[in-house]
Amino acid sequence: GAVVSQHPSWVICKSGTSVKIECRSLDFQATTMFWYRQFPKQSLMLMATSNEGSKATYEQGVEKDKFLINHASLTLSTLTVTSAHPEDSSFYICSARPAGLAGNEQFFGPGTRLTVL
Amino acid sequence: QQQVKQSPQSLIVQKGGISIINCAYENTAFDYFPWYQQFPGKGPALLIAIRPDVSEKKEGRFTISFNKSAKQFSLHIMDSQPGDSATYFCAASRWNQAGTALIFGKGTTLSVSS
Repeated sequence: GAVVSQHPSWVICKSGTSVKIECRSLDFQATTMFWYRQFPKQSLMLMATSNEGSKATYEQGVEKDKFLINHASLTLSTLTVTSAHPEDSSFYICSARPAGLAGNEQFFGPGTRLTVL
Repeated sequence: QQQVKQSPQSLIVQKGGISIINCAYENTAFDYFPWYQQFPGKGPALLIAIRPDVSEKKEGRFTISFNKSAKQFSLHIMDSQPGDSATYFCAASRWNQAGTALIFGKGTTLSVSS
C-alpha cells in the first residue's frame, strides 16, 4: 500500500516550452501533497505544499507563476513548469500524506527527471 | 530552529560492518523522525521512523536511536551489505500537524565495499 506514482519519469524539452508533471496516489487519498526539487548530490528542497481544492502554498524563493501547482482531486496533483529554461533542469519529486490517517507519515513518488535544452 | 543537521556527508563501510549516521534537530516541537533511503534516480523510500516515546526502534538490520535531551537521533545499519549503498536522509516534523512538510537533513552517501 501507500504507492505514489509520477508521470512522466523523465522528460526532455526545449527552452521556452511548458512541461506538466503528474503525481498520483494509487491506493490512498491524499488531502496534502508536496513538491520537491533535488539537484545532484543534494537534499530535497521543498517547493510547495498542495492541498486538495485550494491554492498551493509556495516556499520563499519559488516563483508561483513559473511553477503552477494544481491539486484538483484527492489522488492527483500536477506541477507545470512554464517557460522552462535550462536552469529548471532538475529531479522533481512529489510526496503525499494519506488522508484520514493519524500522524504525518508521507510517501514519495519515484521522481521526474526534467532536462531543458 | 527548523534545521536538521546530518553527518557524516559520506561514509564508507566494509561489508558486514556497522554504518552509523547521525542527525540533530533544533525545534523541540518536532516529534516525528523518519529516515529515508534513496537510490540514484529514484524517489526516497521510508525506511524506519521513530517518535519520542521510545529511545530505540529496530526493524531488521536497521535501528534508530533517539536522545530527546540531546535532540539527536541516529540510524544504525548492522551487517551492512553492498545493496545498502545509497543516500540516506533523516527528517523531522510534528506528528500531529498533518500536512506540514518534513524538514530534511542534507543526506549521507553510504558506500558498502565488498
